[in-house]
Amino acid sequence: SQTIHQWPATLVQPVGSPLSLECTVEGTSNPNLYWYRQAAGRGLQLLFYSVGIGQISSEVPQNLSASRPQDRQFILSSKKLLLSDSGFYLCAWSIGGSLGEQYFGPGTRLTVT
Amino acid sequence: EDQVTQSPEALRLQEGESSSLNCSYTVSGLRGLFWYRQDPGKGPEFLFTLYSAGEEKEKERLKATLTKKESFLHITAPKPEDSATYLCAVQAPSYQKVTFGTGTKLQVIP
Repeated sequence: SQTIHQWPATLVQPVGSPLSLECTVEGTSNPNLYWYRQAAGRGLQLLFYSVGIGQISSEVPQNLSASRPQDRQFILSSKKLLLSDSGFYLCAWSIGGSLGEQYFGPGTRLTVT
Repeated sequence: EDQVTQSPEALRLQEGESSSLNCSYTVSGLRGLFWYRQDPGKGPEFLFTLYSAGEEKEKERLKATLTKKESFLHITAPKPEDSATYLCAVQAPSYQKVTFGTGTKLQVIP
């Protein structure tokens, strides 16, 4: 069966510090991968998605970036965090053409102070 | 631009009191409509996919239906464990992504 891992579960970082969140998927090959952010009381905002190694599409032109160094690894980064980067970050995967049938990780709660 | 609107924003039901959640959508050619359940502090959990008007899917006390402009999630005789936020999402044929609504927060009181 497929499993998706995210870490860390919680993170408190000062403004201006770097960020690296990692997501890995087990039990499937060549998944589509997604990074979302969910602010308190708001919906899911798609940040990046990837259909293959090295292929990243950005939905939000901010100070965040994503990379996919391996087939089942997706990394979200920032060089300098802003207060507005606080939120609940979720990684998800899907396969084939059913892009809306997504399976989410447990999430990372990021607080920028 | 694809749009998804969910109503109501919040719903409080007594245990056993059936009701429906609404998801209205605007998309250029629906490829799929998806329902998710999200518990506090956790990632969303996939529930259903609906592809065409008239289609219905069921899972325990939940039943999802689809028309050309909206989808309903019917909850029959809900229990407290059904309390969660229910999210709706749509996918257009030309996009490699889906658009999510902001959800309906359901609370079922014993």
